[in-house]
Amino acid sequence: EDQVTQSPEALRLQEGESSSLNCSYTVSGLRGLFWYRQDPGKGPEFLFTLYSAGEEKEKERLKATLTKKESFLHITAPKPEDSATYLCAVQAYSGGGADGLTFGKGTHLIIQP
Amino acid sequence: ETGVTQTPRHLVMGMTNKKSLKCEQHLGHNAMYWYKQSAKKPLELMFVYNFKEQTENNSVPSRFSPECPNSSHLFLHLHTLQPEDSALYLCASSQELVGLGIYNEQFFGPGTRLTVL
Repeated sequence: EDQVTQSPEALRLQEGESSSLNCSYTVSGLRGLFWYRQDPGKGPEFLFTLYSAGEEKEKERLKATLTKKESFLHITAPKPEDSATYLCAVQAYSGGGADGLTFGKGTHLIIQP
Repeated sequence: ETGVTQTPRHLVMGMTNKKSLKCEQHLGHNAMYWYKQSAKKPLELMFVYNFKEQTENNSVPSRFSPECPNSSHLFLHLHTLQPEDSALYLCASSQELVGLGIYNEQFFGPGTRLTVL
């Protein structure tokens, strides 16, 4: 059974204080690892897809990295508008077409001015 | 309209009611999904449709009945629900190009907040 564990559950940072969110996973053949951002009362917003160990992707103050067992979402000099819940999800190979995602519980990030 | 839209945004229903949730994607995608998001729990996959065909039912109770009349529309028919079914129901879509080995990200709608009394 595919599993995703995110840590910490909640994180409070000062504006400009960099940090990292962790996503540990076990999956029977990784097809892709996804990071999403979710604001209260809204659907998840896509951030990154990582396909293989060693891959890195960046977008503004966010950088996602991937190893064979975990992924990190690094946040550099965050601003209050980066406050949100960050979700990690994995997709396994099924041999067919579309596959659902297995999500972690998320990390609730608060950036204080 | 752009992206993935869902209606209604909020729904309150009794345990004996029958209601339907609607999802429409304006992205030209060929796969659509239903997820359930309950408090303190991860998003849970419910159903997957690929080219209008249901390819996955994640052990969902029969009181939830999906329908996909075409690649752009997805419905979730609800009947005789329980209070524990109260949650945010999210629809997503993606473009799957299996033959080319391209597996794309899923785009989510804003969700329907369902309360069962």
